[in-house]
Amino acid sequence: QKEVEQDPGPLSVPEGAIVSLNCTYSNSAFQYFMWYRQYSRKGPELLMYTYSSGNKEDGRFTAQVDKSSKYISLFIRDSQPSDSATYLCAMSRYSSASKIIFGSGTRLSIRP
Amino acid sequence: ETGVTQTPRHLVMGMTNKKSLKCEQHLGHNAMYWYKQSAKKPLELMFVYNFKEQTENNSVPSRFSPECPNSSHLFLHLHTLQPEDSALYLCASSQDGTVGNEQFFGPGTRLTVL
Repeated sequence: QKEVEQDPGPLSVPEGAIVSLNCTYSNSAFQYFMWYRQYSRKGPELLMYTYSSGNKEDGRFTAQVDKSSKYISLFIRDSQPSDSATYLCAMSRYSSASKIIFGSGTRLSIRP
Repeated sequence: ETGVTQTPRHLVMGMTNKKSLKCEQHLGHNAMYWYKQSAKKPLELMFVYNFKEQTENNSVPSRFSPECPNSSHLFLHLHTLQPEDSALYLCASSQDGTVGNEQFFGPGTRLTVL
């Protein structure tokens, strides 16, 4: 079993829809959680960073961590065509960035 | 130039060639990273340098050899690669080597090994 599981998609939704992206994980010791966005031919960029459980909101983006279910989510409200990208979840047990485990990414397409 | 730059953006090499990838960051960061990104696979960390010292080598084959001459530059020297080494190689930097400090990624070098 992979430590971090992420549905590769592709996921296609109409503009304006609410998007839900998810990852599950097996290691209950993970406590640092991140979401990255990667556009085609670009490197990933950090969208959201959360420590431990709970929700975090930033504009149209909300990150949720449910440690009891070992499940994290990224919600995108009022989705735009510019949100079309691959979204990577990432998590770590330790504070060292060298221990981050990444998901394989979900390709998202927002239809105008 | 700002951010993290990588050259070349594309590289095609034969299995007997020797080439180098270059990464430069203009952010004043102290930690630099090499990652490998293959299609439909998770991002794999290869090497980490913190304050110019290598702090992580994730069981990377010796045909990949990193070099960090100063905190702004990072190289990945390649020799006798295999076709399965074809991938996108990403460089990143952060203020220090902790999770709480955002990693900034370059655009990557798309490597094809024939």
